[in-house]
Amino acid sequence: QVQLVQSGPEVKKPGASVKISCKASGYIFTSNYIHWVRQAPGQGLEWMGIMNPSGDSTKSAQKFRDRVSMTRDTSTSTAYLVLSSLTSEDTAMYYCARDKEVVIVPARGWLDSWGQGTQVTVSS
Amino acid sequence: SSKVTQDPAVSVALGQTVKITCQGDSLSTSSTTWLQQKPGQAPVLVIYGQDNRPSGIPDRFSGSISGDTASLTIFGPQAEDEAVYFCVSRDKSGDQWVFGGGTKLTVL
Repeated sequence: QVQLVQSGPEVKKPGASVKISCKASGYIFTSNYIHWVRQAPGQGLEWMGIMNPSGDSTKSAQKFRDRVSMTRDTSTSTAYLVLSSLTSEDTAMYYCARDKEVVIVPARGWLDSWGQGTQVTVSS
Repeated sequence: SSKVTQDPAVSVALGQTVKITCQGDSLSTSSTTWLQQKPGQAPVLVIYGQDNRPSGIPDRFSGSISGDTASLTIFGPQAEDEAVYFCVSRDKSGDQWVFGGGTKLTVL
């Protein structure tokens, strides 16, 4: 079955960067888009960006555009999110999610499988 | 960028029908996805492509759209359906996505 397993919790100081991994299994990693979504404590979901693991193309939300990087390692079926210049407002649970749509057509936002989440805490 | 609006909370009596709505100016041109999130858990896909259910999702969940409003209808909700429901849709730009603020469903 499709499974996304994320890296463990992180505690970072303001101004630092964090790198989160999302290891996929149970399907062909390069066949489906990967989205990144975060959720601040007690808040709703916030879309951060999308990556095409086949061609490494990415698109991020405007508010993150200058400090987010999404990459992948196809040899290990792992997607990565790097968020830099962290502030306390970046304290949140970060999720990767697979788009049910395959990469030969535009993504649909059909988020059919989710990682377990990675808690990132930014504190001095 | 687009904005998608949901009612913050809805309650329904056990066995009655409830409709959770999502309004936004990009909804009429894009399929809307519905997610269910229970406390301490990752979201779960319940409806995609307007009205498709993944395997394992009960057929009491149904999606629809009318104009700029997408709806998730739960026919005869059960206690286990108590959760926060989020809609997500493509932004007007076409290459980004936007979530609604979420609707907390209480089953009485």
